Amino acid sequence: RKEVEQDPGPFNVPEGATVAFNCTYSNSASQSFFWYRQDCRKEPKLLMSVYSSGNEDGRFTAQLNRASQYISLLIRDSKLSDSATYLCVVNRGGGYNKLIFGAGTRLAVHP
Amino acid sequence: DTGVSQNPRHKITKRGQNVTFRCDPISEHNRLYWYRQTLGQGPEFLTYFQNEAQLEKSRLLSDRFSAERPKGSFSTLEIQRTEQGDSAMYLCASSLNSIGVSPLHFGNGTRLTVT
Repeated sequence: RKEVEQDPGPFNVPEGATVAFNCTYSNSASQSFFWYRQDCRKEPKLLMSVYSSGNEDGRFTAQLNRASQYISLLIRDSKLSDSATYLCVVNRGGGYNKLIFGAGTRLAVHP
Repeated sequence: DTGVSQNPRHKITKRGQNVTFRCDPISEHNRLYWYRQTLGQGPEFLTYFQNEAQLEKSRLLSDRFSAERPKGSFSTLEIQRTEQGDSAMYLCASSLNSIGVSPLHFGNGTRLTVT
């Protein structure tokens, strides 16, 4: 079993739709959590951190449930430019940022 | 551009040859990481440096792989006797050594094809 599991998708949604991605992690000692975005053949880039209280950044909302070891990302009012792979990322801790990546969920937003 | 820089962008080599990749991190970042990514997968951790010290190596990093960061600035990743299974994108990332979590900044990677 992988340490970070995501539905690979693809999620095909029309512009303006709301879409949600889920992720589970197996290491209960994980300390911090992120969503990264990766465009085709490009490097991953930090989209947002995920906090226990939930956090929002514009159209993006991230939630963390430590008890269930579950992370989510909600995208409202999808844009064509949101088409990318979204990587769920967990910091295993140990003081130096060892990030463990999920395999990613592909999102395709169409007109 | 003061981001993470990786060279070369692409490398095609024949099986059995040695290859070396270079990473120049963001100048004030003292943490440096190497990851490997294959198609349809997320990046997999290979190794980590704090300054010049290599503090962790993944079990993915076989004896044919070696990484160095001799002066705590740029890093090199060498693969000896390459195999077709080594074909992947090799990503370098850097971050600050700060209390709490500092985001990783990735370079645009070196794509290796072993024929």
